[in-house]
Amino acid sequence: DAGVTQSPTHLIKTRGQQVTLRCSPKSGHDTVSWYQQALGQGPQFIFQYYEEEERQRGNFPDRFSGHQFPNYSSELNVNALLLGDSALYLCASSSYWGRSDYGYTFGSGTRLTVV
Amino acid sequence: RKEVEQDPGPFNVPEGATVAFNCTYSNSASQSFFWYRQDCRKEPKLLMSVYSSGNEDGRFTAQLNRASQYISLLIRDSKLSDSATYLCVVNPRGGGSGGYQKVTFGTGTKLQVIP
Repeated sequence: DAGVTQSPTHLIKTRGQQVTLRCSPKSGHDTVSWYQQALGQGPQFIFQYYEEEERQRGNFPDRFSGHQFPNYSSELNVNALLLGDSALYLCASSSYWGRSDYGYTFGSGTRLTVV
Repeated sequence: RKEVEQDPGPFNVPEGATVAFNCTYSNSASQSFFWYRQDCRKEPKLLMSVYSSGNEDGRFTAQLNRASQYISLLIRDSKLSDSATYLCVVNPRGGGSGGYQKVTFGTGTKLQVIP
């Protein structure tokens, strides 16, 4: 049973560049949420996708955008990278109609370093 | 006030000790509650869901106090392998309503179990 897969695992980018992170949810899951986790902080909600639409969004600027594909996989795009965007980006998958006490399944994350 | 607040610790305890973490949340509409465990530079993993009646899983006991809006996690007979950061998580979504709303994480409480 494939868990949540994220790629790449590590990435180094220069300020001002753009980056695309990818996520394949766990088999049977249809909802993907993206989180940013800075060192020493808890994960911060970026947005959530279901049925190829952004359903909820956290307090992140428009430089952060996403997409969900018909196979439920998702991309997170960040434009005009800032040093402060350096963090671990986590993808969490879940089932939209699943029980609320099942929680999320997380991928192992993409560690983005902006230099 | 933060949506979810935790004492960041670190909590340094000897093997075999009992340790308790508390977490408070500000959204009284929150319906689902969880404790996640996160090892250093790894993704969060679901430790247990938290129910109003309280629940136990081996050495771990979680409790919810809706009136005071706090959640607790008790770890008995601490093991070296329990060393990790424990994240408190709340979700406004209740069972059966469909969809995941913005799940919010605390900043985490770091536990170090000492030999």
